[in-house]
Amino acid sequence: EPEVTQTPSHQVTQMGQEVILRCVPISNHLYFYWYRQILGQKVEFLVSFYNNEISEKSEIFDDQFSVERPDGSNFTLKIRSTKLEDSAMYFCASSAGRLSTEAFFGQGTRLTVV
Amino acid sequence: TQLLEQSPQFLSIQEGENLTVYCNSSSVFSSLQWYRQEPGEGPVLLVTVVTGGEVKKLKRLTFQFGDARKDSSLHITAAQPGDTGLYLCAGGEIYNQGGKLIFGQGTELSVKP
Repeated sequence: EPEVTQTPSHQVTQMGQEVILRCVPISNHLYFYWYRQILGQKVEFLVSFYNNEISEKSEIFDDQFSVERPDGSNFTLKIRSTKLEDSAMYFCASSAGRLSTEAFFGQGTRLTVV
Repeated sequence: TQLLEQSPQFLSIQEGENLTVYCNSSSVFSSLQWYRQEPGEGPVLLVTVVTGGEVKKLKRLTFQFGDARKDSSLHITAAQPGDTGLYLCAGGEIYNQGGKLIFGQGTELSVKP
C-alpha cells in the first residue's frame, strides 16, 4: 500500500543550526503538506504546496521556514536557524486533490533542539 | 480561524462497552476526517465524510457527519483493548485554498480488558 515516508525519524540539533526534514509523498498525489505537533498539543498546519509553489501557510511558517520539491519525488522542510521552541514532531502529508482533503500522513520526524 | 473541539478528552472504559466521541465546531467544514494516532507515530486515516448527514461504518466503528457539516461523531461498539489510542478529528476548511486541515485536540481512549 502506498505510504508517505519521512527521514530522519529523529533529529537532534543545536540551537541556531539549520535542519532539513525530508519526505517522499505518495507518488500520484499532487498536494503536499507539513504539520507539526508539539508534545501534548494539537497537530498544527504549517504549509501546503501545490504545483511547485506554496498554496497556503500558517503564522508559524515564518521566514525561518522554507519548503522545496527538488526532484519530483522528495518534499523538504528547511528550518534555517532552529530555536528551542521548534522542538516537535513534524509530519509530512500528501493528498490526491484539494477538495477531498483526504490526507495521508508520514510517521513523522522528531526534532529536538538543544 | 475555524476550531474543532473534541469531547471527551480522555475516556477509560472496560472491554465490551460502547462509546461515542464528539467533534464540534461553530463553523462549516467541506469534509471531516477521523484519524488514529499511536504514540510517536503519524496520524493514520480511518475515514473521510463529506456529505451532511453521511454515515460510514468501519467494522465496529460508525462515523457520522452532522447535517450542517459542523460536527461529527465516532461511535465504537463493543470496544476492545486494541482500540486503545488517540483519536483525532480534522476538518477541511470550506473556502480553503490549499487543502489545509484543522485538527481537534484528540480523545485519548483506554480500553481495559
